[in-house]
Amino acid sequence: QKEVEQNSGPLSVPEGAIASLNCTYSDRVSQSFFWYRQYSGKSPELIMSIYSNGDKEDGRFTAQLNKASQYVSLLIRDSQPSDSATYLCAVKRAGNQFYFGTGTSLTVIP
Amino acid sequence: NAGVTQTPKFQVLKTGQSMTLQCAQDMNHNSMYWYRQDPGMGLRLIYYSASEGTTDKGEVPNGYNVSRLNKREFSLRLESAAPSQTSVYFCASSELKNNYGYTFGSGTRLTVV
Repeated sequence: QKEVEQNSGPLSVPEGAIASLNCTYSDRVSQSFFWYRQYSGKSPELIMSIYSNGDKEDGRFTAQLNKASQYVSLLIRDSQPSDSATYLCAVKRAGNQFYFGTGTSLTVIP
Repeated sequence: NAGVTQTPKFQVLKTGQSMTLQCAQDMNHNSMYWYRQDPGMGLRLIYYSASEGTTDKGEVPNGYNVSRLNKREFSLRLESAAPSQTSVYFCASSELKNNYGYTFGSGTRLTVV
């Protein structure tokens, strides 16, 4: 079983819609959870982090964490073509090691 | 504030050649990491340095060596390059705090022929 699993997609949504990206993780002692955005040919860029159960909002982005279900999600409201990228879920455990999912490719259609 | 700087950005090697990828960060982070990214495989940890003076193997260390030269610099060496090492390499840095994410460098695209 992989440490972090994501649906590779591609996920396509129309401009203005809500994009929902999902991630599950295998280790219950995982402590911190991150979403990175990666444009083609570029390096990953941190967009959201979450540590406690519930929702965390930052502008058009909302991260959701459910530790009992070992599930993390990212919602992008009012999706824009500039949101088209690959989104990586990362899980941080004790010992300062990160584990990354393989990413979900998102395309926002104008 | 440059963040994490990697050199070179592109490199083509012949099988058996050696090279060193350089990484430097100016954020005073304690921890530094080297990842490779391959299609369908995601980011895989090669080596990391939790703090100055320490290095540890990650998920895919074979064929690589690292040096934590000082708090700012963390280099990755390929002693005898193989085609299987064709990949995009990312250096990253972070703090030891639980809620701290990575800052990535811009990457090195390496091709071994």
